[in-house]
Amino acid sequence: DAKTTQPPSMDCAEGRAANLPCNHSTISGNEYVYWYRQIHSQGPQYIIHGLKNNETNEMASLIITEDRKSSTLILPHATLRDTAVYYCIVRGDNNAGNMLTFGGGTRLMVKP
Amino acid sequence: NAGVMQNPRHLVRRRGQEARLRCSPVKGHSHVYWYRQLPEEGLKFMVYLQKENIIDESGMPKERFSAEFPKEGPSILRIQQVVRGDSAAYFCASSPGTGVHQPQHFGDGTRLSIL
Repeated sequence: DAKTTQPPSMDCAEGRAANLPCNHSTISGNEYVYWYRQIHSQGPQYIIHGLKNNETNEMASLIITEDRKSSTLILPHATLRDTAVYYCIVRGDNNAGNMLTFGGGTRLMVKP
Repeated sequence: NAGVMQNPRHLVRRRGQEARLRCSPVKGHSHVYWYRQLPEEGLKFMVYLQKENIIDESGMPKERFSAEFPKEGPSILRIQQVVRGDSAAYFCASSPGTGVHQPQHFGDGTRLSIL
């Protein structure tokens, strides 16, 4: 699976949009971009995933560039409860894609 | 709907003892995954099981560690003769299948401390 690069930390003001970037320049055609987050002392929580089209659900939006080499997770109105480590993961649609490879993630701090 | 349930949440063992970690997947999920998270690190894949079968154990240490997912009952991660380096959070995830549109859902982990 392709490697991902994320900034180690970010701050966001409560109520504002949080935009979390991820680089995955070696992504291949059948690999999807997944986002998970881990709130302190909890297990990772699935947020969203996509291949090449932008995706939106009740939690967030995922914007993937046309060349698919990078993506941005958007939390439209961040709250204090969104403080967590956010992981961007690339996963293939084959047997090797059964495991998720977690990098260092981005530690998002939402401040009042 | 109940999510992935792991127990115990906290487990303390002395060096040389055995640790048994249990994971009940989401109802209807037949695929289980175990991950380990050392302090201040990301999660690392250990093993993937599908009812009664180990599919991928490429991340599992070769000695002292074993996993099972019996036809009935929870999945068990077993660590024999624990050492200090086994201290970590162990997370279990489950999914209904392995397709890209069937994401893994995680439990809140078992925190293992070795005295």
